[in-house]
This record gives sequence, structure tokens and C-alpha cells, in this order.
Amino acid sequence: DAGITQSPRHKVTETGTPVTLRCHQTENHRYMYWYRQDPGHGLRLIHYSYGVKDTDKGEVSDGYSVSRSKTEDFLLTLESATSSQTSVYFCAISGVGTDNSPLHFGNGTRLTVT
Amino acid sequence: AQSVTQLDSHVSVSEGTPVLLRCNYSSSYSPSLFWYVQHPNKGLQLLLKYTSAATLVKGINGFEAEFKKSETSFHLTKPSAHMSDAAEYFCVVSVLVGGYNKLIFGAGTRLAVHP
Repeated sequence: DAGITQSPRHKVTETGTPVTLRCHQTENHRYMYWYRQDPGHGLRLIHYSYGVKDTDKGEVSDGYSVSRSKTEDFLLTLESATSSQTSVYFCAISGVGTDNSPLHFGNGTRLTVT
Repeated sequence: AQSVTQLDSHVSVSEGTPVLLRCNYSSSYSPSLFWYVQHPNKGLQLLLKYTSAATLVKGINGFEAEFKKSETSFHLTKPSAHMSDAAEYFCVVSVLVGGYNKLIFGAGTRLAVHP
């Protein structure tokens, strides 16, 4: 398995509170991604990073921000959590973004917003 | 526009019988296609990928998929199901958007394997 660790694995938080999810990789891969998984939607891209301090929006980025200060860490922040952000969040990595490299996924973070 | 349609949301087979999970895609370009498997409370694991080298692609755990351009299909098969194959399977098309490969996921097919 690719060396990807997500923390925490589970979190329950209240509406309106900020939440930060962490993804840590040991593969030294350039590209990192945050997805959310919801029933009937497959996985949808929130944000991605193509290098340290280089990030861009995905298809469902509203209400989320990211930061990447080191190659190995990619943080996802919910500025003010809402119930619609209850989901399972997956981090993924790939070595190169433009050569059809497959992604390797972490085991996910289950977030519940009450 | 690119899209992926998994034709069955649930498939149920008996152990030892063949598995067929169907996937159709729509792409304006020569696509890269993947199948991923997700076991409960786990991340997605790559089963196999197609990147135009060969139309029949062999993956892990005895799975294979055939790319048929005329039918815009990329169905996943396995000759004999095992109990451990019970999981959710995702067909994915990759398209180059700006500086990265955007993955478009199908909605998933849940495979149940009965003794």
C-alpha cells in the first residue's frame, strides 16, 4: 500500500465550527488530492495540489480551503462546518499529474457535522 | 463532455461463478480508464488501468477488462468469484484538464458474493 495516512479517521463536530483534516504521505509524490464520497455520487474532487504552496480548486470546493506547506502534508479545512459537509473524505496522491498515473488513496476520514 | 455510467448499482453472484460489472463511458478524447475496488471502511484500490497499449487489460486478483471503442465500454470481468471479492467497484475515466488528470467516477457497483 502507498504510504498515505489520514487523520483523524473519525470526527464529529458541530455546525459552525472549523475543522481541519490532515493527509500525510511518505511517497514524496508531487500531486495530492482531496475527494469527498457521498452515496450515489462516487468521488468528487474538492481541491488538489501540484506542489508545495501550489493548489487549485476542484468541482466541489465551496466551503473548503487547503494548504500545503510541505511535500508530505496536505491539509483540508472546513472554515465553518455545515451538515451538508457530512461525508467521507479521501486523500489521494500521484507521482505525475499529466501521464495518466492512477491515484493511490488513503483510508478516509468519516466526518459528521451535527 | 466526459462521463461514466455503471449500468448496475448492485450485482449478486454465487461463489465460483463469473463476474461481469458493466461500464460505459463518454469521452471526446482517447480516454484513460481505470477500475477501482473499495472494501468497507477502506480507501480505493486500483484493480487495473487502460491507457491505449492493449485493449484487454489484466489486473490484480484475477480481474480483467476489455476496452471496446466501438461500444464505448470497459466492462470488468472475473472467471470465478471469491467471497473476498464482495466490495464496491468504481469505473473511472481520466481526462486531462489544465495541468492535471481529472478523474470522473461512476456511481459504483456493489458486488455481493454468496456461498
